[in-house]
Amino acid sequence: NAGVTQTPKFQVLKTGQSMTLQCAQDMNHEYMSWYRQDPGMGLRLIHYSVGAGITDQGEVPNGYNVSRSTTEDFPLRLLSAAPSQTSVYFCASTPLGTYEIDTQYFGPGTRLTVL
Amino acid sequence: GQQLNQSPQSMFIQEGEDVSMNCTSSSIFNTWLWYKQEPGEGPVLLIALYKAGELTSNGRLTAQFGITRKDSFLNISASIPSDVGIYFCAGRQAAGNKLTFGGGTRVLVKP
Repeated sequence: NAGVTQTPKFQVLKTGQSMTLQCAQDMNHEYMSWYRQDPGMGLRLIHYSVGAGITDQGEVPNGYNVSRSTTEDFPLRLLSAAPSQTSVYFCASTPLGTYEIDTQYFGPGTRLTVL
Repeated sequence: GQQLNQSPQSMFIQEGEDVSMNCTSSSIFNTWLWYKQEPGEGPVLLIALYKAGELTSNGRLTAQFGITRKDSFLNISASIPSDVGIYFCAGRQAAGNKLTFGGGTRVLVKP
């Protein structure tokens, strides 16, 4: 198993550009989520999904879109990048059992800079 | 906004020392989790706590779920250089799958 993979590892964008951060997992996990990590802020939930075709907003969803067409993939789209979206982005997945939700498997992260 | 306050924000450790950090909130959480993040990687779960007053160990790490359900503590005994990293607490409230993370405690080695 590759676990949770994220691409790209680094990205620089100009203000107004769009891009998609890719996330894939091969563990057949129902629950997938996207977080952003900013210095001193911990991780903040952007969007999450409890299964294919189902997505919901987290704490900081503005400026981001997601879709979940398959169990394996959960891409995060920035429609018009802004400097405030400069951050490290982590994707995570987990099975949906009672306590298994807490064992989230995190990807290695994507470091995004918006100029 | 963020609801969990971690302290200290950073600390230096000397090999062999015991260190501790804590996480507090104004809200009640039903689950407390402690993660460690190393440079260039995502967080990895260390300990999960599900019951007020619970004390759980994982090797040299011990964490406690505060009785008020508004705080949690993590202790590292006999620290070693590979303990460096950022330690995050996270809490989950009554229902749902969402976690709230603290700002992290950065553990560094004394020069």
